[in-house]
Amino acid sequence: DAKTTQPPSMDCAEGRAANLPCNHSTISGNEYVYWYRQIHSQGPQYIIHGLKNNETNEMASLIITEDRKSSTLILPHATLRDTAVYYCIVRGAGGTSYGKLTFGQGTILTVHP
Amino acid sequence: NAGVTQTPKFQVLKTGQSMTLQCAQDMNHEYMSWYRQDPGMGLRLIHYSVGAGITDQGEVPNGYNVSRSTTEDFPLRLLSAAPSQTSVYFCASSPRASSGNTIYFGEGSWLTVV
Repeated sequence: DAKTTQPPSMDCAEGRAANLPCNHSTISGNEYVYWYRQIHSQGPQYIIHGLKNNETNEMASLIITEDRKSSTLILPHATLRDTAVYYCIVRGAGGTSYGKLTFGQGTILTVHP
Repeated sequence: NAGVTQTPKFQVLKTGQSMTLQCAQDMNHEYMSWYRQDPGMGLRLIHYSVGAGITDQGEVPNGYNVSRSTTEDFPLRLLSAAPSQTSVYFCASSPRASSGNTIYFGEGSWLTVV
């Protein structure tokens, strides 16, 4: 699976957009980019995923560069409850990799009042 | 977290004891898996199953056994607990074992081995 690189921590003011970057320069053409978050030690919560096109759902937007080597998760109006560890994951597509999510260290997002 | 139920939530074991962590989902998902998370680290895959009767090893399978006799249940067995198995365990499921299908996680089981 392609390795991902994220900043260890980021801050954001409440009500502002939070833009979380992720580099995945070795991603293969059929591998998806997934974003999860984990609040304290709760189970990871699915946010969004994408392959090539930008995606949006009720929680966030995912912007994937044209060369697919990086992506940005956007929380449009961050709240205090968005404070969490955010994981960017490239999910394998072939062999025994399709079911595996490789979690790195993630980005600790702190939303301030 | 959509419909993945783990029990127990907390457990303390003595070294050498055995126990089973239960995981159930009612969404008819084909794919189920177990992860462990040690303090300050990301999740690591222990075992997974792509359907009833089929299981395979993940990244850290040693010391754990699994079986998948039904679509709904995927128990994780510790045969002889060791302090190194102190961790938080997460069960997960997905409709199918393909990259585009979202994996959903349970709330976790905290295990301490003394």
